[in-house]
Amino acid sequence: AQTVTQSQPEMSVQEAETVTLSCTYDTSENNYYLFWYKQPPSRQMILVIRQEAYKQQNATENRFSVNFQKAAKSFSLKISDSQLGDTAMYFCAFNEGGSEKLVFGKGTKLTVNP
Amino acid sequence: EAGVAQSPRYKIIEKRQSVAFWCNPISGHATLYWYQQILGQGPKLLIQFQNNGVVDDSQLPKDRFSAERLKGVDSTLKIQPAKLEDSAVYLCASSLKGLRGELFFGEGSRLTVL
Repeated sequence: AQTVTQSQPEMSVQEAETVTLSCTYDTSENNYYLFWYKQPPSRQMILVIRQEAYKQQNATENRFSVNFQKAAKSFSLKISDSQLGDTAMYFCAFNEGGSEKLVFGKGTKLTVNP
Repeated sequence: EAGVAQSPRYKIIEKRQSVAFWCNPISGHATLYWYQQILGQGPKLLIQFQNNGVVDDSQLPKDRFSAERLKGVDSTLKIQPAKLEDSAVYLCASSLKGLRGELFFGEGSRLTVL
């Protein structure tokens, strides 16, 4: 069974600084997708960024970027120039090829301090 | 574009009572999911529909949980009888078939079982 591990239950960062959230996963598949979802206090979860396993280039979306290490099965999220609105729970998620099912990690609570 | 609608937002019941949650996905989204999110954990898939057919219900406690998606649009998740451990947020999400892993979530229905 696929598993997703987020080892940092909580993190904090000062506004305008950079923070990295960690995620590791376990799978025997070769074709899969990885995601970071953000869940603000209002609870509506939204997609932040995604990475296809077959792509070597790390995905970026404005201030958000990932460090995808396929051999190490690691998928970290870097948030640059942190903003107060980045305060939220961040979930790493895995989706194996051929399926639309997502497996989520337990999440990291990020607080951006002014 | 309207998002995923869920109701009720909050529900408090006593154990052994029943409860039903409703979800209206984004128009045109063929795939609908119900996730259970217990406090401090990541969402766990309960059931996945493709149109009005069940794709995956392997983690649905079928002795007490049931779900249906009539006409391939709205969906209802029912719990009967509820147990204390069912206290959680029930998240509905939808996606376009083939849009790998990009789920659009509702705000969730928070259930408290006393």
